[in-house]
Amino acid sequence: DQQVKQNSPSLSVQEGRISILNCDYTNSMFDYFLWYKKYPAEGPTFLISISSIKDKNEDGRFTVFLNKSAKHLSLHIVPSQPGDSAVYFCAASVSNEKLTFGTGTRLTIIP
Amino acid sequence: DVKVTQSSRYLVKRTGEKVFLECVQDMDHENMFWYRQDPGLGLRLIYFSYDVKMKEKGDIPEGYSVSREKKERFSLILESASTNQTSMYLCASGLYQPQHFGDGTRLSIL
Repeated sequence: DQQVKQNSPSLSVQEGRISILNCDYTNSMFDYFLWYKKYPAEGPTFLISISSIKDKNEDGRFTVFLNKSAKHLSLHIVPSQPGDSAVYFCAASVSNEKLTFGTGTRLTIIP
Repeated sequence: DVKVTQSSRYLVKRTGEKVFLECVQDMDHENMFWYRQDPGLGLRLIYFSYDVKMKEKGDIPEGYSVSREKKERFSLILESASTNQTSMYLCASGLYQPQHFGDGTRLSIL
């Protein structure tokens, strides 16, 4: 049973526009959420996180939004750059214990 | 710059062999993790360790064991390799959650 779902396996966005990556979860006990970025032949890199006491967290071009009632989070990248082309994983945990990862979304930024 | 180093990028082994995957981190992190990444399944936690000689099973520990004799080193052991253990293996370290990953070991079991 996939508790963290990324329903879009891939997404293409024009350079300079906004990229929105989505993630849904089923476990209402999840209270901490993270996004990772992965380039080919490299390990994932931690990007940004959010606690369930917040509904938004911003770090430069990256903003994560959390909608607890919908059990949905999203990562916004503005403006999108070619270097943002990668696979993005969302992950969730209960009380900052072991993470459950989504299956990933491949983002392609078109120059 | 933080480094998590995995000993091999590519490894080919035979069914039934005992396989060791080594991971070293230089950040003095308490927590270390082993994941495997498979297409359509994301990253799944095999084992993690929150201190030297301490280990906890993750979501898919069957067929694996781990060793953490020193804080900086966390080893994954495939006791008797099987073809369904062909995968990309990723080691990570962090204060709480995995913050830094190694570049992965692509393991093929023939």
